[in-house]
Amino acid sequence: DVKVTQSSRYLVKRTGEKVFLECVQDMDHENMFWYRQDPGLGLRLIYFSYDVKMKEKGDIPEGYSVSREKKERFSLILESASTNQTSMYLCASSSTGSGYNEQFFGPGTRLTVL
Amino acid sequence: SQQGEEDPQALSIQEGENATMNCSYKTSINNLQWYRQNSGRGLVHLILIRSNEREKHSGRLRVTLDTSKKSSSLLITASRAADTASYFCASPGYSSASKIIFGSGTRLSIRP
Repeated sequence: DVKVTQSSRYLVKRTGEKVFLECVQDMDHENMFWYRQDPGLGLRLIYFSYDVKMKEKGDIPEGYSVSREKKERFSLILESASTNQTSMYLCASSSTGSGYNEQFFGPGTRLTVL
Repeated sequence: SQQGEEDPQALSIQEGENATMNCSYKTSINNLQWYRQNSGRGLVHLILIRSNEREKHSGRLRVTLDTSKKSSSLLITASRAADTASYFCASPGYSSASKIIFGSGTRLSIRP
């Protein structure tokens, strides 16, 4: 069974802290994604990675960076957390070979920045 | 850069009734997908319909696609309490073949 895991379900951080959100997939997928989800705004793509060490900005990359050192792991980094980054963060992966881009999601991390 | 828009935004029906959600998109696509999200959880892929298909079934789900109108619908028949969730359509991103863009979702509530 395919699986995407995220390091935390709930996280509380203080303004200015550096925050790491980790995502791991066990499906040997080439593509990995980080989204944030806010009420009324749907899912917005933060960053996308199509291969190890490769990344592409999504729609809202400001205030975030990512790291993909291994194929199975994609990290989202908030360099200096701010209250407007309080949100639900969703990681997903997909296979290029599938041709149709079905994405598999992790359970999400609800981040609160105080 | 939203590609799909769902309609209605929220839907409340009695258990056992059918639920229909609609999705409109802007650009030409080769497939359209539907996902479900239970409250506070990640999204789960439900069904994918290719651009050369007009209708597809999976259990109690029926999806239609009208490429001339750039629209799709998701029908859930004989709804159950467990169907309470948000439903999203998603279509390929026009800037990258691997990205998909999600609509804003329909929040479905099933009343017992």
